[in-house]
Amino acid sequence: DAGVIQSPRHEVTEMGQEVTLRCKPISGHDYLFWYRQTMMRGLELLIYFNNNVPIDDSGMPEDRFSAKMPNASFSTLKIQPSEPRDSAVYFCASSFFLAGGPNTQYFGPGTRLTVL
Amino acid sequence: AQSVAQPEDQVNVAEGNPLTVKCTYSVSGNPYLFWYVQYPNRGLQFLLKYITGDNLVKGSYGFEAEFNKSQTSFHLKKPSALVSDSALYFCAVRDIRRNTDKLIFGTGTRLQVFP
Repeated sequence: DAGVIQSPRHEVTEMGQEVTLRCKPISGHDYLFWYRQTMMRGLELLIYFNNNVPIDDSGMPEDRFSAKMPNASFSTLKIQPSEPRDSAVYFCASSFFLAGGPNTQYFGPGTRLTVL
Repeated sequence: AQSVAQPEDQVNVAEGNPLTVKCTYSVSGNPYLFWYVQYPNRGLQFLLKYITGDNLVKGSYGFEAEFNKSQTSFHLKKPSALVSDSALYFCAVRDIRRNTDKLIFGTGTRLQVFP
């Protein structure tokens, strides 16, 4: 099993540019989560999907952020326009439904985004 | 509201000594509790979780955690620390009664094991 795959691993862009982060969840998983990690705010959940449908997007900071999951094996997180304060490590995680207990989330390696 | 507190930013321990990383939680109902570890430039890795039943949960790499409902705690422990255990450790909670798969993470505790 390849685990959760994220691309790119590093992204450097200039303020105002569009940034697209990509995630391939573990095959068979029906939940997908996007997180942001910064020194100041720690690990924050941005949005999560179940069966490709967004369930909770209350953590998306503002309209500049959008996320899609067109199919079970692919999701994108887009920032347009990007700002320096968006600089962070963005993680994708996936899990599968477990009857009688909580799902265990498996994390990807992350994308380190730097906005100049 | 759900919350998790990791009161120590850093824990230092000598190799071979027992280690404890503390976590306390607050939920309105009963909790599901998790520990994750993050090595430098890596994603979080699952260590263990508490669902119900036995208060002592055993996980990966020799780690275990003890659920204490009266103290609302879920401390991570290991009998004998290794230098390779040095990493950032996160506790997380989910309220069983809430219809959500959202986990609330603590701020993390950096474990430093010295040779």
